[in-house]
Amino acid sequence: SQQGEEDPQALSIQEGENATMNCSYKTSINNLQWYRQNSGRGLVHLILIRSNEREKHSGRLRVTLDTSKKSSSLLITASRAADTASYFCATRGGTSYGKLTFGQGTILTVHP
Amino acid sequence: SQTIHQWPATLVQPVGSPLSLECTVEGTSNPNLYWYRQAAGRGLQLLFYSVGIGQISSEVPQNLSASRPQDRQFILSSKKLLLSDSGFYLCAWIRDRAPSGNTIYFGEGSWLTVV
Repeated sequence: SQQGEEDPQALSIQEGENATMNCSYKTSINNLQWYRQNSGRGLVHLILIRSNEREKHSGRLRVTLDTSKKSSSLLITASRAADTASYFCATRGGTSYGKLTFGQGTILTVHP
Repeated sequence: SQTIHQWPATLVQPVGSPLSLECTVEGTSNPNLYWYRQAAGRGLQLLFYSVGIGQISSEVPQNLSASRPQDRQFILSSKKLLLSDSGFYLCAWIRDRAPSGNTIYFGEGSWLTVV
């Protein structure tokens, strides 16, 4: 079964607005990661937050993690048309082989 | 620096034909390697992972198999393709096996259409 579930499934905003995507998961994790995928391409890693962290920033990205609620959010501030892509959260549990379990993703469309 | 190569980028195969997708990683040794499949507009499903040469673990029963003949080579195969095998296949690797460790790196993917 899917570990991470993103919400909303699709998000459409205007350039300059903020975009917030949420992710919920079911079991305990060691870290949670967000990835971006342009249409028909491979996934690109955006940011990793460990289970003992609550918030992390990287440029225009802000990720929060609430392990008590088993949820995370990704905020993209001052969005640009180039941010249009699918965004996935992925969780990594306590195994040595490093399996990442992905959610279904949020499709973000930023209109110029 | 490390890079990951995956090929072919696209292919169209008839039902019942064989399949071979290849993935190689450069610039690292003894990586964990993964094959994921992504149906159109959906999330990624882990198909196989490998922690070393000749060591393959399957996550889901299916019509596909995987092999790791060399440390940095991972191959996805099928003897007879089904229509349901169509999708976007992604190879990936990770260097740090620690549970709190680092990211997974993806190839550019292979689009498979079974007709």
